[in-house]
Amino acid sequence: SYVLTQPPSVSVAPGKTARITCGGNNIGSKSVHWYQQKPGQAPVLVIYYDSDRPSGIPERFSGSNSGNTATLTISRVEAGDEADYYCQVWDSSSDLRVFGGGTKLTVL
Amino acid sequence: EVQLVQSGAEVKKPGESLKISCQGSGYSFTNYWIAWVRQMPGNGLECMGIIYPGDSDTRYSPSFQGQVTISADKSISTAYLQWRSLKASDTAMYYCARQNGGSGNHPFDYWGQGTLVTVSS
Repeated sequence: SYVLTQPPSVSVAPGKTARITCGGNNIGSKSVHWYQQKPGQAPVLVIYYDSDRPSGIPERFSGSNSGNTATLTISRVEAGDEADYYCQVWDSSSDLRVFGGGTKLTVL
Repeated sequence: EVQLVQSGAEVKKPGESLKISCQGSGYSFTNYWIAWVRQMPGNGLECMGIIYPGDSDTRYSPSFQGQVTISADKSISTAYLQWRSLKASDTAMYYCARQNGGSGNHPFDYWGQGTLVTVSS
């Protein structure tokens, strides 16, 4: 089955840029979606189709996807961005929706 | 406004049965797939399966096939997740989520608030 690999944690100082990666075999050929989950809350879609932002999501959130790595970039990080972030793709060969293991973003 | 509203928290004993629900509103419920996503304590997200309420076409992830039943009643815009015999390992938060499009390529754009299921003797 298709596997997505994320770093367990990423730390960043306020105002700096955070980059969260999501690795998968030829992931660049798939559409990647990113979700933010704050403690005690349901996940929220923050990036879809690699780099599109839903309405209401700040422009500080952006995404890219190429080769074997997709990246969620959060610019000018704020304390309120502290959360778990999950990448997700559809594996068409198995018709499975697959999530990465999640990355805990800590704002120092 | 699109909303997915889930049923309340449940506390059950091993071996008991359970059915939790997810009611959609603010959109055409029959035209969007609804997924069930498990999150075990301290763990990540796992897609259990997905249903198209329009015709009840249902797909299960292999890990959950035979362990749960996903169904829907389009007359009341509600999807269900059911267990015949709960185990302690079923203790988790369960979310329903709407897939924004007909193929799996589309994201989960709206999520329910979650239903906490606790199984303990």
